[in-house]
Amino acid sequence: EPEVTQTPSHQVTQMGQEVILRCVPISNHLYFYWYRQILGQKVEFLVSFYNNEISEKSEIFDDQFSVERPDGSNFTLKIRSTKLEDSAMYFCASRMDRANEQYFGPGTRLTVT
Amino acid sequence: DAKTTQPPSMDCAEGRAANLPCNHSTISGNEYVYWYRQIHSQGPQYIIHGLKNNETNEMASLIITEDRKSSTLILPHATLRDTAVYYCIALTGTASKLTFGTGTRLQVTL
Repeated sequence: EPEVTQTPSHQVTQMGQEVILRCVPISNHLYFYWYRQILGQKVEFLVSFYNNEISEKSEIFDDQFSVERPDGSNFTLKIRSTKLEDSAMYFCASRMDRANEQYFGPGTRLTVT
Repeated sequence: DAKTTQPPSMDCAEGRAANLPCNHSTISGNEYVYWYRQIHSQGPQYIIHGLKNNETNEMASLIITEDRKSSTLILPHATLRDTAVYYCIALTGTASKLTFGTGTRLQVTL
């Protein structure tokens, strides 16, 4: 069964460093998402991406964040200068066009020290 | 999207049916009811969705009341692996983002 994959599973970085989180969505899906979950808190929407552009973003997704689909398979989230409060699980999700079921990857645990 | 209300926690004995309720009294006519779950710290997992009719798939059944103000997710034979946080989300067919609440923490016990 096709699934969303994410790499790395765990990323440790120092405050102020740039990180790139990678996702490979399900191949025939057209909508892509990033969510995050700070330990013990709710899953929060960050950004949605369709047709090579951002379709919606939350207040969390400020200028330090960017997304890209550099090729036909990868979808990346870049945090330009990480802060301690960026420590969280980051989940990628994708969905087909005419269905709203989103399929999530296993997540990347980002730890900023 | 309509607000949904779920009990914070429930227990269920293994092998029994788990019935998880959700209230969505302000749901509009074009909003679907979606159920996801999150096992420990894994990525949320889609379970089932419906608009008006009851739905069943290999994972669960979804019963929606006739007035659509509430619904129940049924796991017919709960196992320990069904221990998770279950989220009920109302959204339109064209909506994009998922807004997760605090959900119901289901504990399946021996």
